[in-house]
Amino acid sequence: AQSVTQLGSHVSVSEGALVLLRCNYSSSVPPYLFWYVQYPNQGLQLLLKYTTGATLVKGINGFEAEFKKSETSFHLTKPSAHMSDAAEYFCAVILSGGYNKLIFGAGTRLAVHP
Amino acid sequence: KAGVTQTPRYLIKTRGQQVTLSCSPISGHRSVSWYQQTPGQGLQFLFEYFSETQRNKGNFPGRFSGRQFSNSRSEMNVSTLELGDSALYLCASTLAGGTDTQYFGPGTRLTVL
Repeated sequence: AQSVTQLGSHVSVSEGALVLLRCNYSSSVPPYLFWYVQYPNQGLQLLLKYTTGATLVKGINGFEAEFKKSETSFHLTKPSAHMSDAAEYFCAVILSGGYNKLIFGAGTRLAVHP
Repeated sequence: KAGVTQTPRYLIKTRGQQVTLSCSPISGHRSVSWYQQTPGQGLQFLFEYFSETQRNKGNFPGRFSGRQFSNSRSEMNVSTLELGDSALYLCASTLAGGTDTQYFGPGTRLTVL
């Protein structure tokens, strides 16, 4: 069963433009939600996470995401893209009872052009 | 604080061989998880160890195994290597539970010829 869907395997934006990366999950019980970034030849770095509480989550490097239970979404945004944001972004969930098992989406490669 | 370290960083093996990868978690972290990353299948969970016990396992054949030592260091082993095992193997460490941040190592790039 597909637990995490990232819409758009490639997204291209201009420097200074809004970044919007989409993530939807399929779970009857809201899971824990995460966004990770991967730069070439590197491991994954956590951008932000939602576990409980405030549905608007702020992360590193100016990124934020909003948990919308009614839409089963956790989209990642950044008001103004920078060249250094070019990387691959992964949305992930931990389902109820899943301990530390991260289930990842397929990833979205973000390109930022001048 | 030192991050998660993985050794070796690159490995080339031939079909039929076996391989052992190592992961040293952040000091104080008791949980280590392993993931396989391939262009076709993406990031897939292999297994997780907590205090030397396997707590969770993904859908991989029995050729993939792991263990965790008393100092929380972990190893994963792949026996009878197949071409399809070529991948980036990532390990992640965390303090304990699901809400704790998982910190990833740089990965081991395994190539099977």
